[in-house]
Amino acid sequence: AQSVTQLDSQVPVFEEAPVELRCNYSSSVSVYLFWYVQYPNQGLQLLLKYLSGSTLVKGINGFEAEFNKSQTSFHLRKPSVHISDTAEYFCAVSQGGSEKLVFGKGTKLTVNP
Amino acid sequence: DAEITQSPRHKITETGRQVTLACHQTWNHNNMFWYRQDLGHGLRLIHYSYGVQDTNKGEVSDGYSVSRSNTEDLPLTLESAASSQTSVYFCASSDWERQETQYFGPGTRLLVL
Repeated sequence: AQSVTQLDSQVPVFEEAPVELRCNYSSSVSVYLFWYVQYPNQGLQLLLKYLSGSTLVKGINGFEAEFNKSQTSFHLRKPSVHISDTAEYFCAVSQGGSEKLVFGKGTKLTVNP
Repeated sequence: DAEITQSPRHKITETGRQVTLACHQTWNHNNMFWYRQDLGHGLRLIHYSYGVQDTNKGEVSDGYSVSRSNTEDLPLTLESAASSQTSVYFCASSDWERQETQYFGPGTRLLVL
């Protein structure tokens, strides 16, 4: 069965600093990878996804992620964060064609002034 | 605009009562999912459906049931509520043609006393 590990449960950073949120998944063929963001008291919103093609994926709000098959990782990055990026971020994986997602436990990003 | 809604948004019930949480989507999506979100666990899949009359158990299905009589709705029933089912419940939907992106509802916060 697929599994997803988000290595940091909490990441505090200062405004305008770069950030990387780490995600590793269990190896499998033909995986699809996702990052979702959850703002307080809201549902989840898709940030970006990797299905195939270029390993560098750009998403909304200036975020990007890089798919690394050899390291089974899909880390999320942003070069300069804003206070409004404070939220919980979830990495998720599906095995191609299954339509089901397996989520990591989430990383709470707190951006301080 | 197409959307996915959940009701009620907040619910307090007593142990042993039957509770039904509603999920309605106007995306005309084939696939619908129910998750629960708990601190330290991320999102875990309860039940899912790939179409009308189709339902499947997820990772944490004990004590829950669903039925799919039309495309738009997937109600989640707790047969006999337990305190361990206190959680935030999210419904999501997706479509084969949208490359596995799941769209989430705003969530239902359930407290079982």
